[in-house]
Parts: sequence; structure tokens; C-alpha cells
Amino acid sequence: DADVTQTPRNRITKTGKRIMLECSQTKGHDRMYWYRQDPGLGLRLIYYSFDVKDINKGEISDGYSVSRQAQAKFSLSLESAIPNQTALYFCATSDRTGGRNEQFFGPGTRLTVL
Amino acid sequence: AQSVTQPDIHITVSEGASLELRCNYSYGATPYLFWYVQSPGQGLQLLLKYFSGDTLVQGIKGFEAEFKRSQSSFNLRKPSVHWSDAAEYFCAVGPGNQGGKLIFGQGTELSVKP
Repeated sequence: DADVTQTPRNRITKTGKRIMLECSQTKGHDRMYWYRQDPGLGLRLIYYSFDVKDINKGEISDGYSVSRQAQAKFSLSLESAIPNQTALYFCATSDRTGGRNEQFFGPGTRLTVL
Repeated sequence: AQSVTQPDIHITVSEGASLELRCNYSYGATPYLFWYVQSPGQGLQLLLKYFSGDTLVQGIKGFEAEFKRSQSSFNLRKPSVHWSDAAEYFCAVGPGNQGGKLIFGQGTELSVKP
């Protein structure tokens, strides 16, 4: 069974719609992250959370919001989707123990905004 | 500014040939360095990591990387490439403390010719 799961795996939506991407983990990690991947740009950090009460913006948070419902769950919302949010979205987790920040990734959600 | 540069967007090698993927970083503190691989339709899998000690690190799937502080580089190598190595490879850098976020390079896509 996968340690980091993302739902849905694929989503096609229309401009202006609200979309939620969900991430769950069974690794027991306290830190969770949302990235988007675009061709030629690598992975860029959208939001990250070091525990349930600690949520921080990453480098490209505009147009996105997040919710950390529990240690194991971290959701990403697009309040009003626009076409340039079409991308591959990854959730990741890490454990603060040892402080080495090795991150473990989910399989990704491919989002298309028409 | 903190950054990671992978100068080669796309590399093609013949099966059985050697491989070197370049990674250069700019980071103000002691870096922790990572290489991840993304196979088509998959999430990111950790290949190897460098925290300290021996500057030549071994990873999974026969990969190795060498940390060269004087050149701010962490190049990935494999002596003999297999067709299954075709994927996208990402270099990432993070801080050597518990505060960590990772910064990713743009990625290098590897194609393998039969």
C-alpha cells in the first residue's frame, strides 16, 4: 500500500470552478508539502505545513489555499480555477526527526483547467 | 539567492553507455543534496542523498553522485545505462537543519536508445 496517496489522480475542470486536491499519508510524518510541476520549471512549492497548526506559503501560493485537517491529511484548494493552473500536483511528506528533510512523494494529480 | 541548476534539459544516451547528469547549486548554508527520479506517470522516488561524510554516495538502481563543494556541484552518474532508466531526474537542495524546504532543479529528461 502506498504511504502517500493523492485523490483524484486526474481531474478536468472548467475555469472558475472550485477544486480540492487531497493528500493522505500513513508514514506518521508531521511535515507535509504541496508542489506543482510544470515542464521545464521543475517542482515549485505552493504551501507547506510543519504540523497541524503551522501552515506556510511557498513560492507560488497565489490562487491556492490549504487545509491541514489532521496530521495525516493535507488538502489543496483552488478557489476559482484558471487555465494556467493546469499542471501536475504533488504532495510530499517528511519527518523532522534528524532534521534531514528527506521528502516522500505521492503519485501526483494531473489537473487540467479548460 | 538559493537555487539549483540542471543545465541539460534533455539527454539521450545509448543503452550500455555511461551517464552523467549535472547539478549545480547556490546555497548559503551547509546543503543537504538529493537526486530524485520520476518515471512516466509516477511520483518522485529518491535515488540518493548526501548529508555529510564521504563525498561519493551510492544510491539505488546502480546510481552514484559526487559532492564537490569547491564547484557547488552534485553530479549523478551511472556506469551503464539500462532502457528502464529512461525518466526525468531532479536534483534538490535543502538546509542542514530542521527547518527544511527543498529547492528543486528544472529536471533533466533522459532518453535511452536501444
